[in-house]
Amino acid sequence: EVQLVESGGGLVQPGGSLKLSCAASGFIFSGSPMHWVRQAPGKGLEWVGRIKTKANNYATAYAASVKGRFTISRDDSKNTAFLQMNSLKTEDTAVYYCTRITGDFRFDFWGQGTLVTVSS
Amino acid sequence: DIQMTQSPSSLSASVGDRVTITCQASQDIKNYLNWYQQKPGKAPELLIYGASNLETGVPSRFSGGGSGTDFTFTIRSLQPEDIATYYCQQYDDLPLTFGGGTKVEIK
Repeated sequence: EVQLVESGGGLVQPGGSLKLSCAASGFIFSGSPMHWVRQAPGKGLEWVGRIKTKANNYATAYAASVKGRFTISRDDSKNTAFLQMNSLKTEDTAVYYCTRITGDFRFDFWGQGTLVTVSS
Repeated sequence: DIQMTQSPSSLSASVGDRVTITCQASQDIKNYLNWYQQKPGKAPELLIYGASNLETGVPSRFSGGGSGTDFTFTIRSLQPEDIATYYCQQYDDLPLTFGGGTKVEIK
């Protein structure tokens, strides 16, 4: 059974940092590009970024709203993806989901999400 | 960036009604479009991929169509468990973008 479990969310002050984790199981993690998607309270879905596989040099890409502040990485030996968030702003407050993308570009499995609240 | 415009933003229909949601892309995205269902407090779930392909395990009352810039999502006969917000999402180019969502309620 495919599972994605996010952790690391919480309350952080503006300008602070937080690192989210996404623990994967039930599939060949090292062969799957991984994405992060967020959802601000009461709002729609926003793509945050992605990391490709080792075969694709772990290439990353980010939304303009987080580029230069957020970094996606992965540890294939631990079947875990990460989202390092720096210089956090109040508008980064959201539930953050990690999701797997298939070869035909389907986000077919999602984690349960972890809430990040940026507030003083 | 490719803008995805969904309409309506909300709708109310009766059980058994046919419900249709539209999604318009700001440029040609071929058939690179997915549809998701999200229930309150839950993660999104994939319903339709490649504009018209039903994801495994998804009831056949859900369907999708279109290509290029104009797409539709249909629930053939609305059921109480279909109460949710529905999102389209393009994957023709980065950044991946979602429509604003359509909240479906029972009348």
